[in-house]
Amino acid sequence: DIQLTQSPSSLSASVGDRVTITCRASQSIRRYLNWYHQKQGNAPKLLIYAASSLQSGVPSRFSGSGSGTYFTLTISTVQPEDFATYYCQHSYSSPRTFGQGTKLEIK
Amino acid sequence: EVQLVESGGVVVQPGGSLRLSCTASGFTFDEYTMHWVRQAPGKGLQWVSLINWDGGTTHYEDSVKGRFTVSRDNSKNSLYLQMESLRPEDTALYYCVRGARGDGTKEFDYWGQGTLVTVSS
Repeated sequence: DIQLTQSPSSLSASVGDRVTITCRASQSIRRYLNWYHQKQGNAPKLLIYAASSLQSGVPSRFSGSGSGTYFTLTISTVQPEDFATYYCQHSYSSPRTFGQGTKLEIK
Repeated sequence: EVQLVESGGVVVQPGGSLRLSCTASGFTFDEYTMHWVRQAPGKGLQWVSLINWDGGTTHYEDSVKGRFTVSRDNSKNSLYLQMESLRPEDTALYYCVRGARGDGTKEFDYWGQGTLVTVSS
């Protein structure tokens, strides 16, 4: 099974900061990598698919990059509504797996 | 508007059985692979199972293989998860999630609100 490792596990930031979360795969997944965020009490929301494609309706301050085994999610200017837990997930094969999550907190 | 509505979650004793349902609307259900994803209280996301558009292909996470069975009824726009031999570690919020359309790469773009399964004596 493909393992995904996110870093950091938690992150403190201020509104307006630029933040980057990384996701490393245990083997190449080409560009089959997606990013989600989840706010307390809500279902996850797709932000980025296929490593760098912005999901419809998602603000352009979110961007993704990478291929193979190394991927990043960047928020260019953190907004108050961005404080949440972020997950990466691969769609390269079954079983699909998720990273362990990165909690973005207010500094 | 795409909607996925799960039902069937209850409190069940260890070793018990349960069937979850998900009713889809707002899209052509039989064109999409569908998934179940779960989240234990306070924990991260765990993929559980997928079923392709016609039910001919299914996959499962290792810990549920042989105990859970995913199925669908395209005439009813419905997805199911039959859960047997339930264990306390199966306690979680179970989400119904839309997968890819045909050979498309975009998946998990719509999620239900989840149905809570609690396995406890």
